Amino acid sequence: GAGVSQSPRYKVAKRGQDVALRCDPISGHVSLFWYQQALGQGPEFLTYFQNEAQLDKSGLPSDRFFAERPEGSVSTLKIQRTQQEDSAVYLCASSPPGQHNYGSYNEQFFGPGTRLTVL
Amino acid sequence: DAKTTQPTSMDCAEGRAANLPCNHSTISGNEYVYWYRQIHSQGPQYIIHGLKNNETNEMASLIITEDRKSSTLILPHATLRDTAVYYCIVRVDGGKLIFGQGTELSVKP
Repeated sequence: GAGVSQSPRYKVAKRGQDVALRCDPISGHVSLFWYQQALGQGPEFLTYFQNEAQLDKSGLPSDRFFAERPEGSVSTLKIQRTQQEDSAVYLCASSPPGQHNYGSYNEQFFGPGTRLTVL
Repeated sequence: DAKTTQPTSMDCAEGRAANLPCNHSTISGNEYVYWYRQIHSQGPQYIIHGLKNNETNEMASLIITEDRKSSTLILPHATLRDTAVYYCIVRVDGGKLIFGQGTELSVKP
């Protein structure tokens, strides 16, 4: 079946521009995660949704970063007034239902990521 | 901060077993050990996870020491397609994954 999809796959932005990155999770997956991966580093957690509720946004690096999942399916990560240090791959992951409580240990299925380059 | 330490890189001959070590000396009693891998330009892929007992699935085996302070991921017959960065992760509260630097495994013909 279809996996997690992300769009666009590549995005080039001029410093100061706003960008929006989209994630389509696997149908029926309750949990959705966003991660940021700088070049040569492991992914770093940004934020987590359970259905439409954003339960953890502790990893968002600044108030320029905003994520939403209004209907509990598709999610958008928005970055306002992009800076060069925002250049990274942004990964989305979703997790199936089962143990729905916060602390689910279901595996996460990752999308291919969006590579953002800020000039 | 990541709660695991792994070697930066390892080589393995094609067809041989790849044994990837991981130290997690501060792991808590209810924390799981997860392994993911990331092939170049792709998102991470789940491999296996465990709590106390050794685990095996179609991809790999996970050996966890009795004191749970370390573990080893075993790919029994490595192929060129297993070349990737392998991440050992201790699952923290809330389900989020805390990745470290990982081990870059190169499988050579």
